[in-house]
Amino acid sequence: DTGVSQNPRHKITKRGQNVTFRCDPISEHNRLYWYRQTLGQGPEFLTYFQNEAQLEKSRLLSDRFSAERPKGSFSTLEIQRTEQGDSAMYLCASSLTTQGPYEQYFGPGTRLTVT
Amino acid sequence: AQSVSQHNHHVILSEAASLELGCNYSYGGTVNLFWYVQYPGQHLQLLLKYFSGDPLVKGIKGFEAEFIKSKFSFNLRKPSVQWSYTAEYFCAVNDRSNTGKLIFGQGTTLQVKP
Repeated sequence: DTGVSQNPRHKITKRGQNVTFRCDPISEHNRLYWYRQTLGQGPEFLTYFQNEAQLEKSRLLSDRFSAERPKGSFSTLEIQRTEQGDSAMYLCASSLTTQGPYEQYFGPGTRLTVT
Repeated sequence: AQSVSQHNHHVILSEAASLELGCNYSYGGTVNLFWYVQYPGQHLQLLLKYFSGDPLVKGIKGFEAEFIKSKFSFNLRKPSVQWSYTAEYFCAVNDRSNTGKLIFGQGTTLQVKP
């Protein structure tokens, strides 16, 4: 399977715990995006990377959220001191700017439940 | 700020009926437009896209959409639906800035009855 993969697929955690999600983009895709999707809503942009550089962060991304893409390949999204409001589906997408920078391929998502 | 509106939140159709899902966006500049579909338990998949040129675009499975610039609309159409098209449909736009980030509508749940 050469699509975008995300791990874990599901995560249940207690309020106050830290969680980390991983995204592996399509090989050689230089852009990687994180979105968050809550029930009944469309995905909302969180942040994106071009290679290893994080170029934009949404105001939705509070100080408790941090994302990295250390070698320009996979990315991690960490949420510290989780809150019940963080419960959502976290989606990762990748794209290749030399093939039209605007077509993004999505992974299956990580569903986070904070109890 | 950009926004995308999908006015039909939940649509129920019988098989073979025709489909049209509305999408309007608010942005005064040049945009790229997309329709994504999410089948139950699956990830978002691109149905079709508009970058430039012919405003009537065709995508996978016979779906098409028409970009009407004067109406800021990009409605999705399908002449005849099947039960397997039951899914959630999202319209999205980006503003051609260098970020490429997508702004999504809240989605339309399509239920096709066999």
